[in-house]
Amino acid sequence: GAGVSQTPSNKVTEKGKYVELRCDPISGHTALYWYRQSLGQGPEFLIYFQGTGAADDSGLPNDRFFAVRPEGSVSTLKIQRTERGDSAVYLCASSLTGTGLVSFGSGTRLTVV
Amino acid sequence: DQQVKQNSPSLSVQEGRISILNCDYTNSMFDYFLWYKKYPAEGPTFLISISSIKDKNEDGRFTVFLNKSAKHLSLHIVPSQPGDSAVYFCAADPPGKLIFGQGTTLQVKP
Repeated sequence: GAGVSQTPSNKVTEKGKYVELRCDPISGHTALYWYRQSLGQGPEFLIYFQGTGAADDSGLPNDRFFAVRPEGSVSTLKIQRTERGDSAVYLCASSLTGTGLVSFGSGTRLTVV
Repeated sequence: DQQVKQNSPSLSVQEGRISILNCDYTNSMFDYFLWYKKYPAEGPTFLISISSIKDKNEDGRFTVFLNKSAKHLSLHIVPSQPGDSAVYFCAADPPGKLIFGQGTTLQVKP
């Protein structure tokens, strides 16, 4: 596709539920990133994939958060036992090699009620 | 600890005037910086970058200045246009991740 695509654009879930957020990077981009943006803050790094493997997952806040990229393209961010504090915009980004220009998707707005 | 800081949450300027957005960082090892612009309900879009081997980079109406000794960078937009109204983020680019500031909301009044 032309850009990074994220689905759904909005997700409302109840506290304690499990959610999956999907990211389709730009075709051919080997690097994929997940960020989280809370209100009034800049995007906060969560995890970085190079190909299928997580090269850096140091930003994941706890073990309720997990991300996969099994075929080196589409990635899914998974959040277990959601909490109200998980409410944020989750941004996915990709780049050709892991250096250089990073392109962002429009994000998934997650609201935990 | 905030490694990249944008201390002004908002800025309002008149159309045609200069907008100056500031950013400070704490880690002297950072050697590449970017500015992103974000409209509501959209992802950040790349605007301009600068490497630490330079102290200035210009692209049309946008110029970024880097002062390594002060660990400070700034984005100048001149002349400012109403369409420039958005949230601007500066970011440092250590390998594998971007570290963003909190953002500055710029409003350009017609």
